[in-house]
Amino acid sequence: AQSVTQPDIHITVSEGASLELRCNYSYGATPYLFWYVQSPGQGLQLLLKYFSGDTLVQGIKGFEAEFKRSQSSFNLRKPSVHWSDAAEYFCAVVVTDSWGKFQFGAGTQVVVTP
Amino acid sequence: DTAVSQTPKYLVTQMGNDKSIKCEQNLGHDTMYWYKQDSKKFLKIMFSYNNKELIINETVPNRFSPKSPDKAHLNLHINSLELGDSAVYFCASSRAGGLTGELFFGEGSRLTVL
Repeated sequence: AQSVTQPDIHITVSEGASLELRCNYSYGATPYLFWYVQSPGQGLQLLLKYFSGDTLVQGIKGFEAEFKRSQSSFNLRKPSVHWSDAAEYFCAVVVTDSWGKFQFGAGTQVVVTP
Repeated sequence: DTAVSQTPKYLVTQMGNDKSIKCEQNLGHDTMYWYKQDSKKFLKIMFSYNNKELIINETVPNRFSPKSPDKAHLNLHINSLELGDSAVYFCASSRAGGLTGELFFGEGSRLTVL
């Protein structure tokens, strides 16, 4: 079955430390991959996306993600976390044979401690 | 100028009532969506319209009726509201079903059914 998995429901990280959020997908067709961030009471904002080309993608707010086809993964990273990065993070996938059907992972809540 | 705007932002109503949420996008996109986010933050697609035509209808009760008067607008009407309809409803838009670009989200409409 087609799915998007974010294995970590909740991550706590110290301010200034590095952050990595995991995303795995299970789709037969070519995936287009996205990471979104949702701050409390807000809509979702795109951090970065991968359609093709260089598998290391740079996004906004200092985030990057790497597409690894062999591992069916698209993990999000940030070298040094700021308190304002505390939010919910969603991985999303849409595939070429599933027009318009963006599937979202369950989300990872990131808590940043001083 | 807000790209995807939805109104109202908050609705509080009694079981059995009918309510509507309106959405407008000024991005020139051809595809619009309704997503439901439950209390656990899980995002589930409900409907998708492309050029005013219903493309995706994801096993949503027929008490929910979307209407797209034109490409820039997608409204959601809910009849006979139930407690389980309490959620945040997000409108979103994209180009070409997401195969050439990402989803742009509105800020959400929080529906509380008492």
